[in-house]
Amino acid sequence: EIVMTQSPATLSVSPGERATLSCRASQSVSSNLAWYQQKPGQAPRLLIFGASTRATGIPARFSGSGSGTEFTLTISSLQSEDFAVYYCQQYNNWPPWTFGQGTKVEIK
Amino acid sequence: EVQLVESGGGLVKPGGSLRLSCTASGFTFSSYSMNWVRQAPGKGLEWVSSIGSSTSYIFYADSVKGRFTISRDNAKSSLYLQMNSLTADDTAVYYCARDSSAWSPAGTFDCWGQGTLITVSS
Repeated sequence: EIVMTQSPATLSVSPGERATLSCRASQSVSSNLAWYQQKPGQAPRLLIFGASTRATGIPARFSGSGSGTEFTLTISSLQSEDFAVYYCQQYNNWPPWTFGQGTKVEIK
Repeated sequence: EVQLVESGGGLVKPGGSLRLSCTASGFTFSSYSMNWVRQAPGKGLEWVSSIGSSTSYIFYADSVKGRFTISRDNAKSSLYLQMNSLTADDTAVYYCARDSSAWSPAGTFDCWGQGTLITVSS
C-alpha cells in the first residue's frame, strides 16, 4: 500500500498570500496524484488530477506540480473561500486508493 | 446536474448491520465506476470500496473486507453498501463518489454525495 504524507498539518496564511502545501508518496506514483478541497460539513471537491491539471471549474489560482514521490499544491492568492482542508490522493497503484492525512489552511 | 444522494445512515449497535444506498441522477450511471469513501469524525478520508461500471471489478479496503459488500443496480441508478459486523471503528460519514471517467476508471473522484453518518455504539 502506498502511504501518502502531507505537510504541514496546519498552515496559517493571510488572505491574499500564497499557500504551498506538500504531499509525499512512499513510492513513485508517477503523475497519478489528485488534490481535493473539503470545507466544514461538505463533501470533498476534486481540484487537481494528473498532478497538475485543474478539474472543471477550478480557478487558475490553484496549481499543482511534481511527479514521482514529491508533489505541491499552490494557491497563489488566498481568497476567503479557500480556507479549508486539502487532501492529496494517489491513483497509480490501486487498490487501495490512498489519501494523505490532510492539510488545514487557516486564516492567520 | 450531476447528483449523488446517500441514505440509510444512523445509529447501530456493535455487531449490527446496515445498508447504505446512493441514488444517482444527471448522468449515465451505468457508464461509471462508483466508490464508497468514509471519514471518521475529525479524521481524514479513507477509501472503502469500488465497483466497476458493469460490476467488472469489485475491491475492498482490508479494514472492511469480509464484512462489507458493495453492489449496484444500473436500472435504478443506485449504488449500495451492505455493512455487517459493525464496530466502533466503522463510525464515520460515508460518501459515495463517482469515478471521473466513463467506462475506464481514472481513479479520481469527481462527484461526491453529501454523505451519510453511521454511528456504531451501544
